[in-house]
Amino acid sequence: GAGVSQSPRYKVAKRGQDVALRCDPISGHVSLFWYQQALGQGPEFLTYFQNEAQLDKSGLPSDRFFAERPEGSVSTLKIQRTQQEDSAVYLCASSLNRGLSVFPEAFFGQGTRLTVV
Amino acid sequence: DAKTTQPNSMESNEEEPVHLPCNHSTISGTDYIHWYRQLPSQGPEYVIHGLTSNVNNRMASLAIAEDRKSSTLILHRATLRDAAVYYCILRVYGNTGKLIFGQGTTLQVKP
Repeated sequence: GAGVSQSPRYKVAKRGQDVALRCDPISGHVSLFWYQQALGQGPEFLTYFQNEAQLDKSGLPSDRFFAERPEGSVSTLKIQRTQQEDSAVYLCASSLNRGLSVFPEAFFGQGTRLTVV
Repeated sequence: DAKTTQPNSMESNEEEPVHLPCNHSTISGTDYIHWYRQLPSQGPEYVIHGLTSNVNNRMASLAIAEDRKSSTLILHRATLRDAAVYYCILRVYGNTGKLIFGQGTTLQVKP
C-alpha cells in the first residue's frame, strides 16, 4: 500500500486481557515509531526501531508493554494484562531516515483505538 | 528536549490567511523546527520544517525569527479542510527522529 497501515482500527479489550496491535510501515522505511495518544492530548513517544533493532524504548510506560519488529518491516505492539488507563489511540509512524538524513518526514498510520472495559 | 509553546486554539475565516505562532525560547543551534497537523480521526501529517531561513512548500510557509526563538506557520488561504490540531515540534537533526509533541493549536475554520 501507499501509506502506513494499522490493524485493527478499533479494539475493545476486557481488563486483564492481552492485546496485539499491528503496524505495516511504508515499504523500505528504515525507522518505525510507536506513539500513544490519550483523548485530547498530543501523541507521546513509546518506542523506536531502526530496521529490526529496538534502539529506544524509553517511552514504554511499564513492562506490560512490549514491541517487536523481527524482520525489519511489520511491527507489533503488545500490551499484557490491559488496564483502563491503557485506553488510547496507538499510532505507528515510519520514516526513510536513519537519523542523519535529508528525509525528515514521518508518515503516520490512522491508529488503533484501544478501549479497555 | 527543548519545549515549544502554542496557543490552545485559534479561529479563521475560510479563504483568509492564518498565522499560527510558536515560541521556542530554549531552542539550540541543532534544533530543527517541524510542524505537523492532525485532522480529526487521522494520524498526524507532516507540514513543513526549517532551521534558520523561511521556507515555502505547497502546503504552507514557515517564517522563523532571526533569533530563532519563535516561528510562525502561515496558511495562505484557509479552507475547511485545514481545520486540525497543529503541532510545532523541535527536533535535533541526526537523532532517532522521534517527535516530542506538545498540546498543539486547534484551528477552527469558519465558512
